[in-house]
Amino acid sequence: NAGVMQNPRHLVRRRGQEARLRCSPMKGHSHVYWYRQLPEEGLKFMVYLQKENIIDESGMPKERFSAEFPKEGPSILRIQQVVRGDSAAYFCASSRRGGTYNEQFFGPGTRLTVL
Amino acid sequence: EDQVTQSPEALRLQEGESSSLNCSYTVSGLRGLFWYRQDPGKGPEFLFTLYSAGEEKEKERLKATLTKKESFLHITAPKPEDSATYLCAVQASRTGANSKLTFGKGITLSVRP
Repeated sequence: NAGVMQNPRHLVRRRGQEARLRCSPMKGHSHVYWYRQLPEEGLKFMVYLQKENIIDESGMPKERFSAEFPKEGPSILRIQQVVRGDSAAYFCASSRRGGTYNEQFFGPGTRLTVL
Repeated sequence: EDQVTQSPEALRLQEGESSSLNCSYTVSGLRGLFWYRQDPGKGPEFLFTLYSAGEEKEKERLKATLTKKESFLHITAPKPEDSATYLCAVQASRTGANSKLTFGKGITLSVRP
């Protein structure tokens, strides 16, 4: 009964490199959400995806960030040309459905450090 | 814009000393209010969802209640293992926002033996 899986758990990148974060939802869940947690701040919504579709990306920075959830395989959050301000914990959550009664279950997170 | 404010920021209790954590919210049409527990270095763990004013839910030593403006998480006779950060989040019912969660900054609870 695996929960939401994220990898890697820790990622170190130098400024200007690319970061790829992966998320596999719980079994039976087809909705994926990405959140970012900066030090001393609360969790902030970034993007909501279903298979092959971006439903809501209102929390995504306009540049350098992208997300996908292909028909096969995990959801990917991609950050290009990382900067020190991207250092944070990135959490993925999944739910069985969207809208009402869509309890979101979170993974353990990926902690990104930009040197 | 949806807003969630949690208070106090930190709370220290003696084992067995009951207390309440507060979550005040402003949202254009509440679809659901969620409570999570987060341990250091881990992801949030789902506790409760409340959907309408007057609703209450319980789980072991925890009881969550909801009014039209705030929610309380009551902790009865806490134990050291209840030490964690408790997060409150709201979900709005308006079109285009009916799935994302807006979180407060959390309340860090420490329970001394």
